[in-house]
Order: sequence, then structure tokens, then C-alpha cells
Amino acid sequence: ETGVTQTPRHLVMGMTNKKSLKCEQHLGHNAMYWYKQSAKKPLELMFVYSLEERVENNSVPSRFSPECPNSSHLFLHLHTLQPEDSALYLCASSQVGLAEYNEQFFGPGTRLTVL
Amino acid sequence: AQKITQTQPGMFVQEKEAVTLDCTYDTSDQSYGLFWYKQPSSGEMIFLIYQGSYDEQNATEGRYSLNFQKARKSANLVISASQLGDSAMYFCAMRDRGNTPLVFGKGTRLSVIA
Repeated sequence: ETGVTQTPRHLVMGMTNKKSLKCEQHLGHNAMYWYKQSAKKPLELMFVYSLEERVENNSVPSRFSPECPNSSHLFLHLHTLQPEDSALYLCASSQVGLAEYNEQFFGPGTRLTVL
Repeated sequence: AQKITQTQPGMFVQEKEAVTLDCTYDTSDQSYGLFWYKQPSSGEMIFLIYQGSYDEQNATEGRYSLNFQKARKSANLVISASQLGDSAMYFCAMRDRGNTPLVFGKGTRLSVIA
């Protein structure tokens, strides 16, 4: 595997279900991100992990729970979601440092539908 | 706070023609980077090109070039010789020096017509 991978690619769940999204990066980066992309909206940053510590949480509802067990893996645990949470969830990674040129590499995304 | 504005929700271009996608930004930082990403219907965000705020020359990468006008705070993407495979959403993004995540615009949907 190369780059950033995400599983599953598609997920349909009911509002009472519990599921997890998985992201893995094979680039040796030290930061990982979760973004939410809804129709006709800009990408919304949800969580940032830098050196395995959460550094940013943009007021995301508690029904979304991130986990970063190591620098290569990132999870997004989902429970009691709402239909408006249906979106494309993108994972990204980058090498953070002093340089401004820290390109973020994205995974293919998980398209989530909440019924 | 940083902000990216993309005023064109959708654009059409004839195959083999050039097209310019607009991007303006707002920041109080002196040092920053500007990025363009392509998102095909498959969903993956593909990095296209980067421009640093102190770079004197406009960035180029194959058929992509960035028209950087610092005084106007604009960073337009120019795609030359459009191909059908260029049909996608295009996002402009920026970050300042350091560890801050990218800030994205709302995107422009480009449709290339045969």
C-alpha cells in the first residue's frame, strides 16, 4: 500500500449504530487530519493529530470520537449519528515542521450515509 | 484568520482550450503557502501545485500554472490544453508557516466539453 488509505470506502448506517472509519498513511508523516465534506460546503476540518496528540478540535459533536494510536493510524468512531452527518469523510496526513510547504496528502475518503 | 474565496461555482471549457480558475485569499501573515487540489468524482483530493508567498516566479507544473499576484492577494490556477479528464472539482487552499492545517475554499467545478 502507498499513500493514504481509508476503509471502508462506503458506509451506510442507522442512527443507533456504532461504526468506525479507519485511515492509514504509509508516508512516514507525523500529522493526520479528519475532514468532513458535505454537499456544496467547503471542507470542514474536524480533528488534527500532530505527533499522536490531538491539537485541534473544531467544536465537533461528541458523537464523533477520534483515536490516533500511532503516527500511521487514525480512526473516527461514530455513534448515534444524525442524517445530516451524511458526507464524505476525508483523511489526510502531512509532515509538520517549520516550512510552510507542508503538502497534505489525502486518502480516497469514506462516503457515509446515515439513515 | 485566513480565508480563501473561490467565486466561480462552475466553469465550462472546450477541450484543448486554456481555462483560469480564480482564487483570492486573505491573511495577515507575511509568510504563507498556496495550494491547488483537484477532486475527481471518485473523491480523492489530488495535489496539483504550490506557490510560496516569497517565491518571485509563478509556479508551474506541467499543464498547470499558478498566476500569483501578491498585491491583489490572488492565486489563480491556469490549466492549458484542457483534457476531458480535467473535469473535476478544484480547490484552492492556504496555510501559514508552521503546523496549521490547510484552509480550503468552496471549490470550482470544471467541466471540459469535447
